[in-house]
Amino acid sequence: DTGVSQNPRHKITKRGQNVTFRCDPISEHNRLYWYRQTLGQGPEFLTYFQNEAQLEKSRLLSDRFSAERPKGSFSTLEIQRTEQGDSAMYLCASSLASTAYEQYFGPGTRLTVT
Amino acid sequence: AQKVTQAQTEISVVEKEDVTLDCVYETRDTTYYLFWYKQPPSGELVFLIRRNSFDEQNEISGRYSWNFQKSTSSFNFTITASQVVDSAVYFCALSAVNYGGATNKLIFGTGTLLAVQP
Repeated sequence: DTGVSQNPRHKITKRGQNVTFRCDPISEHNRLYWYRQTLGQGPEFLTYFQNEAQLEKSRLLSDRFSAERPKGSFSTLEIQRTEQGDSAMYLCASSLASTAYEQYFGPGTRLTVT
Repeated sequence: AQKVTQAQTEISVVEKEDVTLDCVYETRDTTYYLFWYKQPPSGELVFLIRRNSFDEQNEISGRYSWNFQKSTSSFNFTITASQVVDSAVYFCALSAVNYGGATNKLIFGTGTLLAVQP
């Protein structure tokens, strides 16, 4: 199966620690999106890349968050000095730029900050 | 601004009942896409349907049907003869049509938890 994959699937960390998540998109997809989903809410857009360029960031993405896509393939999302409010499911999606409405989602990384 | 409202937070039905999930959206775009996704307990978002704002024809796929009404900005989803396996959270979402540089980010509603009892 060559769908979107995310690692780890679950992460438990203590407040104040740094965490990093990885997303591997579908191989030919040049767009990659990050969304965050808190309990009882729908996913909310965080940021997206076209190839290696980060083209838009939501105001939800505080300065403790950083995302990269160094070679236009996989992407990482790092959260520094985690807070309990960061506990959420972090979803990655990928698409072709020409059909960006067809976003394929990964299984998500569930972060719990204790 | 774009917004999706799913006023029903939870619905509980007995198997074989029909159920309709409501979705109301707001957008200033003249062209846009509407979506429904299913999120089972495993957490992965499963795509169900995409609808272009130009196409107001209703669609049926097996036990699923969708009613798109631009006049009321609604895109409702009906499951006929519900089954226990339909139990999940269902999200309605909105996106701008792709044109030069558009983000195409998805704007999701808060979801409706559907519980189908045997």
